Amino acid sequence: SQQGEEDPQALSIQEGENATMNCSYKTSINNLQWYRQNSGRGLVHLILIRSNEREKHSGRLRVTLDTSKKSSSLLITASRAADTASYFCASLRNQGGKLIFGQGTELSVKP
Amino acid sequence: GAVVSQHPSWVICKSGTSVKIECRSLDFQATTMFWYRQFPKQSLMLMATSNEGSKATYEQGVEKDKFLINHASLTLSTLTVTSAHPEDSSFYICSASRGGALNSGANVLTFGAGSRLTVL
Repeated sequence: SQQGEEDPQALSIQEGENATMNCSYKTSINNLQWYRQNSGRGLVHLILIRSNEREKHSGRLRVTLDTSKKSSSLLITASRAADTASYFCASLRNQGGKLIFGQGTELSVKP
Repeated sequence: GAVVSQHPSWVICKSGTSVKIECRSLDFQATTMFWYRQFPKQSLMLMATSNEGSKATYEQGVEKDKFLINHASLTLSTLTVTSAHPEDSSFYICSASRGGALNSGANVLTFGAGSRLTVL
């Protein structure tokens, strides 16, 4: 299977709370990226972390990468209702230059 | 910023007909574009890598005669679903890298808004 895994599959929180999503991948990677998708729409790139980086921040987003465990996490702090969307991790494989997506986490932030 | 336009955004067709979906990079040249397929509530599955001026590279299990890809210019790739059947109904999304090959380390993909195909 192409896909890596993400958990949880669905997450429902209240506005103001933090949301944490986890992702695992299968092969050695060049970098790992997180994307957001609103229902029925295209994807928007959020943040990229290279294989030699362990943590990265961008606004309310914090991404970690553990290459020994082949896993990454995305933390959204102080969530807002507008953060409601599906979030996908995508690993850029060293071989072939392909971006392979995880299963995704459906985040619902309630006002 | 990089913009990728996809057309049509939705299409309904009869079983047995062929449907063409266009993917254009509006403000940059893309030697490589990627086509993904997404079923409801599921992730994106890479179907093929479209290379300008050469044949597309298909992922395992994707029928190249069923899903014809043409990348005739640096700003346009097309996906044609031939003899479509109801099981081909899906959300098809294209993407392109502004910086060329993805494995240069820092390139990200710009995605089109997707095309929803419904085959009756």
